[in-house]
Amino acid sequence: AQTVTQSQPEMSVQEAETVTLSCTYDTSESDYYLFWYKQPPSRQMILVIRQEAYKQQNATENRFSVNFQKAAKSFSLKISDSQLGDAAMYFCAVLINTGNQFYFGTGTSLTVIP
Amino acid sequence: EAGVAQSPRYKIIEKRQSVAFWCNPISGHATLYWYQQILGQGPKLLIQFQNNGVVDDSQLPKDRFSAERLKGVDSTLKIQPAKLEDSAVYLCASSLREENRAFFGQGTRLTVV
Repeated sequence: AQTVTQSQPEMSVQEAETVTLSCTYDTSESDYYLFWYKQPPSRQMILVIRQEAYKQQNATENRFSVNFQKAAKSFSLKISDSQLGDAAMYFCAVLINTGNQFYFGTGTSLTVIP
Repeated sequence: EAGVAQSPRYKIIEKRQSVAFWCNPISGHATLYWYQQILGQGPKLLIQFQNNGVVDDSQLPKDRFSAERLKGVDSTLKIQPAKLEDSAVYLCASSLREENRAFFGQGTRLTVV
């Protein structure tokens, strides 16, 4: 069974500062992908960043970057220069390639303080 | 490119009534997922289809929930009879294996009173 754990139910950050959201996962599969999704109050799941497990290089997308530690099964998201529009729920997820199965963590609610 | 379409956006029903949700995935996406997201929690997979076959329905409460995906395209999720604890957002997502990501609809917010 696959599990995704987000140990921070809530986080806050000052505008323009940097914040890191934590995620750990457990899978016995070797072929998988990791994701961070953002869910604003509109409920639309928005893909923030994706990491292929076979790649050692950490993914980056503008102000968003990840710290992928495969041996530790850790996948944290760093948001730099936080903006008010970054306030949302953030979900870590894993996609198991063999069965195309997709599992989510419990989420972290991010508040951005002006 | 059209995204994943879901309807209705909102539904309020009384307990013991029936309700159905509809999802139209992105054209060509073979995999379709239904998730239940209770307020303050992460999405929980209810059922996963590959074309019109079920891949995983281990967390679907089969005594009251049912889902089908006719012709491997649109899908409907039904609850009969509804309970108060079924109040949640129901998310539909679809994916194309080669793209290795999922695309989500805007969800249906169900309130059971």
